[in-house]
Amino acid sequence: DVKVTQSSRYLVKRTGEKVFLECVQDMDHENMFWYRQDPGLGLRLIYFSYDVKMKEKGDIPEGYSVSREKKERFSLILESASTNQTSMYLCASSSGGGGTDTQYFGPGTRLTVL
Amino acid sequence: GENVEQHPSTLSVQEGDSAVIKCTYSDSASNYFPWYKQELGKRPQLIIDIRSNVGEKKDQRIAVTLNKTAKHFSLHITETQPEDSAVYFCAASRSNFGNEKLTFGTGTRLTIIP
Repeated sequence: DVKVTQSSRYLVKRTGEKVFLECVQDMDHENMFWYRQDPGLGLRLIYFSYDVKMKEKGDIPEGYSVSREKKERFSLILESASTNQTSMYLCASSSGGGGTDTQYFGPGTRLTVL
Repeated sequence: GENVEQHPSTLSVQEGDSAVIKCTYSDSASNYFPWYKQELGKRPQLIIDIRSNVGEKKDQRIAVTLNKTAKHFSLHITETQPEDSAVYFCAASRSNFGNEKLTFGTGTRLTIIP
C-alpha cells in the first residue's frame, strides 16, 4: 500500500517567514509533485521532480522553490511567505519509468500565513 | 500548455439517479485522462482513467467516455449512493507512462440527496 506522508497537517506562519513543507513516500517512486488546492481553482501544479536533484516548474512556481536530495523526500520551500500563499498544499508521487501514471496523494498541509 | 475545463462546478442528484460530469481539454497531444475523487477532509484518489486509444471504460457503477475529436471526456456515475458525495477532478496529460505532469480541472462538488 502506497504511503505518502506530509510533515504537518496544519501550519501557521507569519508574513516574510521561510517555510518548509516536507513530503515522504515509501514506494520507491520516481516522480514527486507539489500542488496547491484552492476553492474553485482545483489542483494547480507548483513544481515536480522526475529524479533525485532534478526539478521542473509547474504552472504556478512563483514564490516557491523545491529540493529533492533523496528519492523518497521532496520539499517545498516558501522563501518569504505571503498571505496569498495561504492554501492547502498537497504532495503526490507516481512510479514513473514505465510504470503507471497513477498519482498517490499525501493528506495535505493547510498553511495559513498571517 | 494544457487547459482543462470542468462542468458543472456543483451537482446535486437524488440517490439512485445518475450523475454526469464533463471536461474539455485543449492539447490534442494529451492521451491520458484520469478522474480523482476527494471526499471531505481526505486526499484525492484515482477512481478511473482512460487512454486515448479507448473510447469508453467501465468499472462497476462508474464509466468514462472519451471523444478525441471534440477533445471532450465525461464521468458517468449510475445508481448513485450517499458515499458518492465528494469533489471529483478530471485531469489530462501527455502520458509517457509516468513521465508527464497532470493538468487538473477545477473540480465538481457532487452531493447525493437521500
